[in-house]
Amino acid sequence: DVKVTQSSRYLVKRTGEKVFLECVQDMDHENMFWYRQDPGLGLRLIYFSYDVKMKEKGDIPEGYSVSREKKERFSLILESASTNQTSMYLCASSTGQLKLFFGSGTQLSVL
Amino acid sequence: DQQVKQNSPSLSVQEGRISILNCDYTNSMFDYFLWYKKYPAEGPTFLISISSIKDKNEDGRFTVFLNKSAKHLSLHIVPSQPGDSAVYFCAALQGDYKLSFGAGTTVTVRA
Repeated sequence: DVKVTQSSRYLVKRTGEKVFLECVQDMDHENMFWYRQDPGLGLRLIYFSYDVKMKEKGDIPEGYSVSREKKERFSLILESASTNQTSMYLCASSTGQLKLFFGSGTQLSVL
Repeated sequence: DQQVKQNSPSLSVQEGRISILNCDYTNSMFDYFLWYKKYPAEGPTFLISISSIKDKNEDGRFTVFLNKSAKHLSLHIVPSQPGDSAVYFCAALQGDYKLSFGAGTTVTVRA
């Protein structure tokens, strides 16, 4: 089974802190994604990567950056966390276009 | 502005009956449409997809119907089972990687 592992299930940070969310997949997938899920808004794409060191902005990249130094690992960085970044963050990976494999999510609270 | 809309936030159905989930979209350039299912504390999992050139796709108890002229798709679950209780997300793909998700519909199957 494909496994996408997110480093933390729950995270509480202070406004202005730099936050790292880590994601690791074990199936040698080329594509990796970061989404955030908010009530009433569904899942919104923050960034994605289709190869090592490659990244593309999604629909809501403002306030975020990403890093993909190795194929299996995709990190989401909040340079200076703000309260409006409190959300559920979901990492996913895929080989093709359709079937994404998601991690269990990280619930981030910024106080 | 959301390009994929699920206007019913919740649906309650009796076990054994049909569940019908609806989804509307605004972008006529979408190539594929998908449904994902999410249980609490887990990431979404891929359920079924349909190409924009088809009008129906069936997989066991799950059937997706696409009406391009109405920009509408629906997911039918027959018969509904208690394990189908989950949040269902409609999604649409444009280009190579960008999936747009709806807000989700919470399905509760009553015994």
